[in-house]
Amino acid sequence: NAGVTQTPKFRVLKTGQSMTLLCAQDMNHEYMYWYRQDPGMGLRLIHYSVGEGTTAKGEVPDGYNVSRLKKQNFLLGLESAAPSQTSVYFCASSYSVALEGHEQYFGPGTRLTVT
Amino acid sequence: AQSVTQLGSHVSVSEGALVLLRCNYSSSVPPYLFWYVQYPNQGLQLLLKYTSAATLVKGINDFEAEFKKSETSFHLTKPSAHMSDAAEYFCAVSHKPNAGGTSYGKLTFGQGTILTVHP
Repeated sequence: NAGVTQTPKFRVLKTGQSMTLLCAQDMNHEYMYWYRQDPGMGLRLIHYSVGEGTTAKGEVPDGYNVSRLKKQNFLLGLESAAPSQTSVYFCASSYSVALEGHEQYFGPGTRLTVT
Repeated sequence: AQSVTQLGSHVSVSEGALVLLRCNYSSSVPPYLFWYVQYPNQGLQLLLKYTSAATLVKGINDFEAEFKKSETSFHLTKPSAHMSDAAEYFCAVSHKPNAGGTSYGKLTFGQGTILTVHP
């Protein structure tokens, strides 16, 4: 199993440009999440999904959109990038609520710089 | 709402010394608690988790953590530090599933503690 993969690994954008980050998991997980990581702030939840075709806002959703058209994929879009979106983005997935612990499995991250 | 506080953004120890990374949580109900480790330029890996089965939890690489409800703490320890333990460590808290099954397993992370190990 590849686990959770993210594409691309690095990206540099100019202010106002758009892009999509792709997350894929091969563990048949229902739940998927997008986080951003900034120094000294831990990880903050951007958006999440509890199943194919569903999405919901997390703590810091402004400026981002997501889609979950297929169970194994979770896309994060930036329509008009801003320097404040310079960050490392992590995707994660987990089993359904029927299991204890909600352990999340993380991808390797995408480092995004907006100039 | 739950929150997590990690005391000390940087901890430095000598190789072979005890590692102690502190985590305190606030939650209105007994939570699930996790420690994750992040090595440079990598994603997060689960070290261990508390799910109410036992208060002393053992994880990978000889790490362990003890859940203390009275102190609302879940500190991470390792008896003898190794150079390869140098990384950033995150404590996280999650809610248990609710009766309606709508809990999505949201994790709230602490700010992280960078562990440096000196020879």
